[in-house]
Amino acid sequence: GEDVEQSLFLSVREGDSSVINCTYTDSSSTYLYWYKQEPGAGLQLLTYIFSNMDMKQDQRLTVLLNKKDKHLSLRIADTQTGDSAIYFCAERSKLIFGTGTRLQVFP
Amino acid sequence: DAGVTQSPTHLIKTRGQHVTLRCSPISGHKSVSWYQQVLGQGPQFIFQYYEKEERGRGNFPDRFSARQFPNYSSELNVNALLLGDSALYLCASSFGTGQNTEAFFGQGTRLTVV
Repeated sequence: GEDVEQSLFLSVREGDSSVINCTYTDSSSTYLYWYKQEPGAGLQLLTYIFSNMDMKQDQRLTVLLNKKDKHLSLRIADTQTGDSAIYFCAERSKLIFGTGTRLQVFP
Repeated sequence: DAGVTQSPTHLIKTRGQHVTLRCSPISGHKSVSWYQQVLGQGPQFIFQYYEKEERGRGNFPDRFSARQFPNYSSELNVNALLLGDSALYLCASSFGTGQNTEAFFGQGTRLTVV
């Protein structure tokens, strides 16, 4: 069946860039999403990319898509302590989520 | 405008009991989806409803059921609760079911089964 995989943890220093990676298997996905979840909260949509795009930039966020390798990444520039959360990638055809990457930002 | 609202926010039940979770979508949204998020994992799709009809079902046992009402609100029912049903249950609403329609999530209902 369809699957979405992510690395579990990422730790970065405040001010550095963070890169969170995701691989998916469903080639029919036309939209791929990044969600943020803070402790005890629901999911907040951060950004998304359409499958015919290679890159999308939205302020501090850059999404890169390699459709051939089914690889998606989220780059957060100038990472702040408020960015500490769990980040999920999801493919929209069935809204299947990855396991989430816990981003920890230290001063 | 109110976002997606879920009730209750927290719930403690005993094994074998049943539970009903409620979700009110954003005004104008006709699709509601339910997800189970076990601690440390990503959300798992349970059901999607659109215009009161079931449009999708995840890999969950028949103990899980749901319905959508004429006002597009929805209930998720779980019978014969097991300890493993302890999780955060998330509801998402969207205008439609297409891939380009954004899904908005509620804060979730945290169910603890003891």
